[in-house]
Amino acid sequence: TQLLEQSPQFLSIQEGENLTVYCNSSSVFSSLQWYRQEPGEGPVLLVTVVTGGEVKKLKRLTFQFGDARKDSSLHITAAQPGDTGLYLCAGADLRDYGQNFVFGPGTRLSVLP
Amino acid sequence: GAVVSQHPSWVICKSGTSVKIECRSLDFQATTMFWYRQFPKQSLMLMATSNEGSKATYEQGVEKDKFLINHASLTLSTLTVTSAHPEDSSFYICSAQTLKLNTDTQYFGPGTRLTVL
Repeated sequence: TQLLEQSPQFLSIQEGENLTVYCNSSSVFSSLQWYRQEPGEGPVLLVTVVTGGEVKKLKRLTFQFGDARKDSSLHITAAQPGDTGLYLCAGADLRDYGQNFVFGPGTRLSVLP
Repeated sequence: GAVVSQHPSWVICKSGTSVKIECRSLDFQATTMFWYRQFPKQSLMLMATSNEGSKATYEQGVEKDKFLINHASLTLSTLTVTSAHPEDSSFYICSAQTLKLNTDTQYFGPGTRLTVL
């Protein structure tokens, strides 16, 4: 069974600070996704990374996929209260019947004004 | 594009009753749909994967007879929680995947909050 770990589990910071969230596994994934979920809603896809070493930027968010495709990081620059939420990473897991996704436990981020 | 809806958004039922949750892909054909369960302050746990026209594949520990999944068309999958009990209270989320779009991407519905009294 492929497992994903995320760290930290909880993070509370002041507006304007920078932060990095990590997603690690002992398994190789064909791709990895990052989502943000707000209470009572479904996850919203932020990015998909596919190639080892890939870096993608989405405004103040920078995503990196490890060279070995086992880990990823999400860096937020100058965090804002609107960034508050549960950040989930998910690895694509190829099964006999197709592909599904393994989710990490999430990092709950709180950005204080 | 790639919008997924769920109905109902929330439901409260008595213990012992059955509840059906619908998941629809509104603007694309979903070759695969996934059902997840999320308990408070926890991550998503995959319950089952269903491909249109075939039986769902359940994850270990998920009872097939309790959580009935039907994926009769390329735009609709249903999850029926049979004989619901309070411990089934959770946030149920579906997602859909299509071969016509990026196969590494799944599109999530807004979730259904089930409370069993």
